[in-house]
Amino acid sequence: RKEVEQDPGPFNVPEGATVAFNCTYSNSASQSFFWYRQDCRKEPKLLMSVYSSGNEDGRFTAQLNRASQYISLLIRDSKLSDSATYLCAVHEGDSSYKLIFGSGTRLLVRP
Amino acid sequence: DAGITQSPRHKVTETGTPVTLRCHQTENHRYMYWYRQDPGHGLRLIHYSYGVKDTDKGEVSDGYSVSRSKTEDFLLTLESATSSQTSVYFCAISGGGGGQPQHFGDGTRLSIL
Repeated sequence: RKEVEQDPGPFNVPEGATVAFNCTYSNSASQSFFWYRQDCRKEPKLLMSVYSSGNEDGRFTAQLNRASQYISLLIRDSKLSDSATYLCAVHEGDSSYKLIFGSGTRLLVRP
Repeated sequence: DAGITQSPRHKVTETGTPVTLRCHQTENHRYMYWYRQDPGHGLRLIHYSYGVKDTDKGEVSDGYSVSRSKTEDFLLTLESATSSQTSVYFCAISGGGGGQPQHFGDGTRLSIL
């Protein structure tokens, strides 16, 4: 089993749709979680951190489920510009400074 | 955007030649990382540094070496490049230890013929 797993997609949705991605992780000691966005042929960019209580940034909501060991990203009112690959990242352990990345979920938003 | 510069941005070279990639940061961050990204594998950690002259191996370190003589510079060297090292290489930096996100440079596209 991979340490961090994501559905590769692609998720093909119309503009205005709500779409959700999940990311499972295997190390129960992990304490810090992040979502990154990566456009084609570009570097990953931090989208948001994931906090225990869940957090929201505009149309984006991130949540953590420690019991089931997954994090989620919800995108509401999808825009064409949201088309990208979304990577989840999990710190390796309690005090680790290494991140383990999922392979990414590709999102295509169509007009 | 975080002050991270990778050089070169693109490079084509031949099998067996040495290659050095440079990562330069202006954020005075302690931690620096080198990743490679390949289709089907995602981002994989090659080496990382937790301070000047302090480095350690990641999951795919074979065939690579690194050096960090100054806080701002982290060099990745392929001593004798092979075609399997054709990839996109990203440098990342982080200000803290656990709990801190990493920020990435623009990447280097390396082709080894």
